Amino acid sequence: EAGVAQSPRYKIIEKRQSVAFWCNPISGHATLYWYQQILGQGPKLLIQFQNNGVVDDSQLPKDRFSAERLKGVDSTLKIQPAKLEDSAVYLCASVSGQGFFSGNTIYFGEGSWLTVV
Amino acid sequence: SQQGEEDPQALSIQEGENATMNCSYKTSINNLQWYRQNSGRGLVHLILIRSNEREKHSGRLRVTLDTSKKSSSLLITASRAADTASYFCALNSGGYQKVTFGIGTKLQVIP
Repeated sequence: EAGVAQSPRYKIIEKRQSVAFWCNPISGHATLYWYQQILGQGPKLLIQFQNNGVVDDSQLPKDRFSAERLKGVDSTLKIQPAKLEDSAVYLCASVSGQGFFSGNTIYFGEGSWLTVV
Repeated sequence: SQQGEEDPQALSIQEGENATMNCSYKTSINNLQWYRQNSGRGLVHLILIRSNEREKHSGRLRVTLDTSKKSSSLLITASRAADTASYFCALNSGGYQKVTFGIGTKLQVIP
């Protein structure tokens, strides 16, 4: 079974520039997450999709971050304009099943490392 | 939304020793999962324990859950240098498979 694919793996941009990350979840996984992980901290949930609908985006800084999941498969996360504090790893994850659940394994991609200078 | 609090934040042990790390939380959960993250890599699922379970084993891993104390522990027995990584507890609470992570325990196993 192919894992969660993310690209690019590394990106360096200047502040105020824009960047986009792409995620291809495991085939058939209805739920997709984007997490932000700042160095030395745990992953923070940015947005959660169920198919192509947003379930939770309460911690997404909507003035600069946007995400979409067209057709309920691939997803992109965009930052525009970037700030220095956006330097982090952006992790995409997916899990099978829909709705209220009790315990399917969440699979993570290797992450996209962003450095804003 | 709640997140777990791991303790200790850092742990250094000799190879062959056991490593224990704890996770505490505040409100009820559906299940609790432990993940490992090697430096520069994504998270790898280790083990899941449901709210109605008290203990689970997987190889050298043993996880306990005490819902009355709202805490879980992860025990790695006979540690190896390859176990050096950060370990996170992840809480599933509420609906729609929402999962939140703690700040992690950084484990160093010295050969």
